[in-house]
Amino acid sequence: AQSVSQHNHHVILSEAASLELGCNYSYGGTVNLFWYVQYPGQHLQLLLKYFSGDPLVKGIKGFEAEFIKSKFSFNLRKPSVQWSDTAEYFCAVNENRDDKIIFGKGTRLHILP
Amino acid sequence: NAGVTQTPKFQVLKTGQSMTLQCAQDMNHNSMYWYRQDPGMGLRLIYYSASEGTTDKGEVPNGYNVSRLNKREFSLRLESAAPSQTSVYFCASLVRKNTEAFFGQGTRLTVV
Repeated sequence: AQSVSQHNHHVILSEAASLELGCNYSYGGTVNLFWYVQYPGQHLQLLLKYFSGDPLVKGIKGFEAEFIKSKFSFNLRKPSVQWSDTAEYFCAVNENRDDKIIFGKGTRLHILP
Repeated sequence: NAGVTQTPKFQVLKTGQSMTLQCAQDMNHNSMYWYRQDPGMGLRLIYYSASEGTTDKGEVPNGYNVSRLNKREFSLRLESAAPSQTSVYFCASLVRKNTEAFFGQGTRLTVV
């Protein structure tokens, strides 16, 4: 069964620091990859996605992620975080062979002003 | 443009009671999903429906049933609620698998 691992459960950074959140998945076939963000009290919103082409994808609010197939990874990055980035971030994977979308356990990001 | 609408937003049940969570989308999406969100556990897939007329089990289907009533609506039923089913439930829909999933606002369910 496919699974998604997010290595950092809780990250605390100061404003302007750089961010990298790890995501690894277990399936070796063709996958679609997503990062979602959940701001406090809200539902999930898409940050970015990858399904083919350039493995470096750019999303909203200055976020980007790199798909490294050999490492089964899809890490999320942002060069300089802001206080408004305080939220929970979820990596998600969909295998191309079916319609399940499996989420990681999430990383709670807290930005100090 | 409503997107994905879930009802109710809050519910308290007694152990053993039943209830149905409703989800409707107005975006003509093909696929619909039910997740539960628990602290430290992320979102876990309960059931999904890839298209009208089909449903499949996800990661944690026990204790739940679903109905894809038509293309717009996908309901989740708890036949005999248990305290372990206390959670926030999210419905999501998408047009096809490599596209963005749109989520409802969630239903906060407490089973006492």
